[in-house]
Amino acid sequence: DQQVKQNSPSLSVQEGRISILNCDYTNSMFDYFLWYKKYPAEGPTFLISISSIKDKNEDGRFTVFLNKSAKHLSLHIVPSQPGDSAVYFCAASLNAGGTSYGKLTFGQGTILTVHP
Amino acid sequence: AAGVIQSPRHLIKEKRETATLKCYPIPRHDTVYWYQQGPGQDPQFLISFYEKMQSDKGSIPDRFSAQQFSDYHSELNMSSLELGDSALYFCASSLEGGDTEAFFGQGTRLTVV
Repeated sequence: DQQVKQNSPSLSVQEGRISILNCDYTNSMFDYFLWYKKYPAEGPTFLISISSIKDKNEDGRFTVFLNKSAKHLSLHIVPSQPGDSAVYFCAASLNAGGTSYGKLTFGQGTILTVHP
Repeated sequence: AAGVIQSPRHLIKEKRETATLKCYPIPRHDTVYWYQQGPGQDPQFLISFYEKMQSDKGSIPDRFSAQQFSDYHSELNMSSLELGDSALYFCASSLEGGDTEAFFGQGTRLTVV
């Protein structure tokens, strides 16, 4: 039972344009969402997160949007750069008022390729 | 800045052998998480420790055990290895009680032959 789903296995974008990566979840108890970037043979690198009490969080070129009613979140990267090419994982946490954000349920990942 | 250190980076074992993976968290991080990522799959949560006590358990086989030591490093012990145990094993650490995300190590690639 895949509780966090990234339905697009891959995305190809031209340098300078916007990359939009999507993620859906089924467990309405999830209250914290994160995006990780992963290069081959390396561990996931934290990018940006959002609490369920917010609908948007921005950090430089990265913005995450959360639509709780639709159980959907998206990561926008603008402008996209060739160095952004990697696998992007959406992850969700059931924090339940605690403070631990490390027990994560991951999506399957989306391979982003940014062409020069 | 210091990151999560995992050792070894690569490990090759035969079926039915045992393996021990080590994880050294970021300094001052008191919580450690273990994940398993099979080929073409997303990382799956195995187990976590906070202050040397198991804090949560996921899809960890009974053949595996783990512990966290007084210096907060953690070891994942895997016995009676099977071919299906071949995967990337990630450790992550965070600071419990603080508003921090989990930071991952580079992983240990275990190959069972």
